[in-house]
Amino acid sequence: GAGVSQSPSNKVTEKGKDVELRCDPISGHTALYWYRQSLGQGLEFLIYFQGNSAPDKSGLPSDRFSAERTGGSVSTLTIQRTQQEDSAVYLCASSSARTSGGALTGELFFGEGSRLTVL
Amino acid sequence: SQQGEEDPQALSIQEGENATMNCSYKTSINNLQWYRQNSGRGLVHLILIRSNEREKHSGRLRVTLDTSKKSSSLLITASRAADTASYFCATAEKNSGYALNFGKGTSLLVTP
Repeated sequence: GAGVSQSPSNKVTEKGKDVELRCDPISGHTALYWYRQSLGQGLEFLIYFQGNSAPDKSGLPSDRFSAERTGGSVSTLTIQRTQQEDSAVYLCASSSARTSGGALTGELFFGEGSRLTVL
Repeated sequence: SQQGEEDPQALSIQEGENATMNCSYKTSINNLQWYRQNSGRGLVHLILIRSNEREKHSGRLRVTLDTSKKSSSLLITASRAADTASYFCATAEKNSGYALNFGKGTSLLVTP
C-alpha cells in the first residue's frame, strides 16, 4: 500500500490476555518505530528498528512488551498479560532513515494507530 | 523519552487569527520537526527545520528555531476551522541515531 498500515484498528481485551498489534510500513522504508499515546497525551517512544541493526528497545515500559520485525518489513508489537494501564493508542511509523550528524534527518510517516482497551 | 514541551497546552482562536505554538527542548539537536494530528488519526509531518536554520516557511506555516534558547515556534497565519488539531514538536538529538522524541502537544481549536 501507499501508506503505513496498522491492524487491528481497535482491540478490546480482558486483563491478563496477550495481544498482538501489526504494522506494515511503507515499502522501502528501512526504519520502523512504535510509539504509545495515552488519552490526551503526547507520544511515548517504545522501540525502533533500523535495517539489520539491533533494535533500540530503550522505551519499552516492561518485559511484558516485545516487538519483532521479520524480513525487514512487517512488525508485530506483543503485549503479554495486559494490564489496564496498557490501554492506549499504539502508533507505528516508518522512515526512509536518512541520517546526518548521527541523527535522523527525514520525516516519519505514521499509521492510523491501533486503539487498545484493556478491561 | 519526551524532550519537547509545547506551550500552550491548549489554544482557542477564531478563524482568520494567527496561532502561535512554542516548543522547548533540553539537549543539542540536529533538527526539529512539527507534526499535526487530527482527532483519532495518525500524525502528519508539517515541516522540518535544521539546527543551522533560523526560520522556515511552508504555505501558511512559519517555523522559527533558536538553538541558544533551545526553543522553536510554529505560527499558523490566517487560521481556518480545518486547522483544528493537535500539534507536536519532535526533536532529533545529535548522535541519537534514528530516535525522534515528541512533546505532549498543543491542542488548537479554531472556531468559525
